Amino acid sequence: KQEVTQIPAALSVPEGENLVLNCSFTDSAIYNLQWFRQDPGKGLTSLLLIQSSQREQTSGRLNASLDKSSGRSTLYIAASQPGDSATYLCAGTNTGNQFYFGTGTSLTVIP
Amino acid sequence: GAVVSQHPSWVICKSGTSVKIECRSLDFQATTMFWYRQFPKQSLMLMATSNEGSKATYEQGVEKDKFLINHASLTLSTLTVTSAHPEDSSFYICSASRAGYTGELFFGEGSRLTVL
Repeated sequence: KQEVTQIPAALSVPEGENLVLNCSFTDSAIYNLQWFRQDPGKGLTSLLLIQSSQREQTSGRLNASLDKSSGRSTLYIAASQPGDSATYLCAGTNTGNQFYFGTGTSLTVIP
Repeated sequence: GAVVSQHPSWVICKSGTSVKIECRSLDFQATTMFWYRQFPKQSLMLMATSNEGSKATYEQGVEKDKFLINHASLTLSTLTVTSAHPEDSSFYICSASRAGYTGELFFGEGSRLTVL
């Protein structure tokens, strides 16, 4: 069974810093990978989707990459802002529709 | 586009009663919907996968008679927690994938269930 680890579990940074969140899969055969943001008591908001033929995606200050050989993904957040404070979850699927989720990284950006 | 709506957002019920949670795709047809459960400070646990017009596929350890899932149309799936008990209190989230699957999941806002 696919297991997903996210490091660090929690992160606190001052506003303006660039930061990297990490995600790794025990089975490196990832077909699609998606990064989400979750605010307390809320559902998930999709941030970036890396599809099977892709290795990287960018949206604004966010950049996600996927190394399929190692089963690792990183989410890079540039110039962090207090509004970025949330829990970030990565999820990947081997085939079909079933996504496996990581346990998340709780990010706090201090003004 | 790709909005998924869940209702209700919050529900409190007495032990022994049943609660229904709806998940709707508002602007697209969802051939497949997923139901997850999330405990505080934990990640999402997939409960079941439902395809329109067919029986849901439940994950190991999830009681299908307790968590009834119906996916009667391409825009609506429902989760009914039957004879709820306090240990069923949790955050339930649905997600949907579009017909012509692109690999992207869209999530509802979640439903917080508290069983007294």
